[in-house]
Amino acid sequence: QVQLVQSGSELQKPGASVKVSCKASGYTFTNNALNWVRQAPGQGLEWMGWIGTYTGNPTYAQGFTGRFVFSLDTSVSTAYLQISSLKAEDTAVYYCARGHGYGDLDYWGQGTLVTVSS
Amino acid sequence: EIVLTQSPGTLSLSPGERATLSCRASQSVSSTYLAWYQQKPGQAPRLLIYGASSRATGIPDRFSGSGSGTDFTLTISRLEPEDFAVYYCQQYGRSPRTFGQGTKVEIK
Repeated sequence: QVQLVQSGSELQKPGASVKVSCKASGYTFTNNALNWVRQAPGQGLEWMGWIGTYTGNPTYAQGFTGRFVFSLDTSVSTAYLQISSLKAEDTAVYYCARGHGYGDLDYWGQGTLVTVSS
Repeated sequence: EIVLTQSPGTLSLSPGERATLSCRASQSVSSTYLAWYQQKPGQAPRLLIYGASSRATGIPDRFSGSGSGTDFTLTISRLEPEDFAVYYCQQYGRSPRTFGQGTKVEIK
């Protein structure tokens, strides 16, 4: 069965960096794009962008350029989200989600809570 | 950017009742590119409907989606206890792929 398993919660200080992983199983990794979605505490869902798992080409939504980097290691069917120069407002749950069909998100990781606090 | 506005913000209903959730887009969205998700507290979202009206795998037929252009609807024909949750619409026809702000369906 299709699964996306994300790395565990992170507590980081402002200015630090964090790298969240999303390991896929149960399907051919390079057949589906991988999306990233942010959910701040008590808030709704915010689409951050996606990465083509065959091409490795990332697309970032406005507001997620510069400090946010999507990457892949196809040898282990894993996608990564790296956030640098962390700010308190980056505190959120970050989800990876598999792209399906024309772009809906059919499978989601369990989410990774990133807390930025001094 | 296409803005999706969901209404109402909160829907208070009893089990067995019908729920009708609205998603209005600031620009026309092809029905091919409209999805609905359900999210329960502490859980990841779950895909319910894609292409405006196609149920995702394993989704009960009490969930249905409809609409076109700028107005889309998610209907839950008879609410079960497990359906009380937050529901989001999303358009993925144009970048950025925006979500609505969500509708909470709560027990009355």
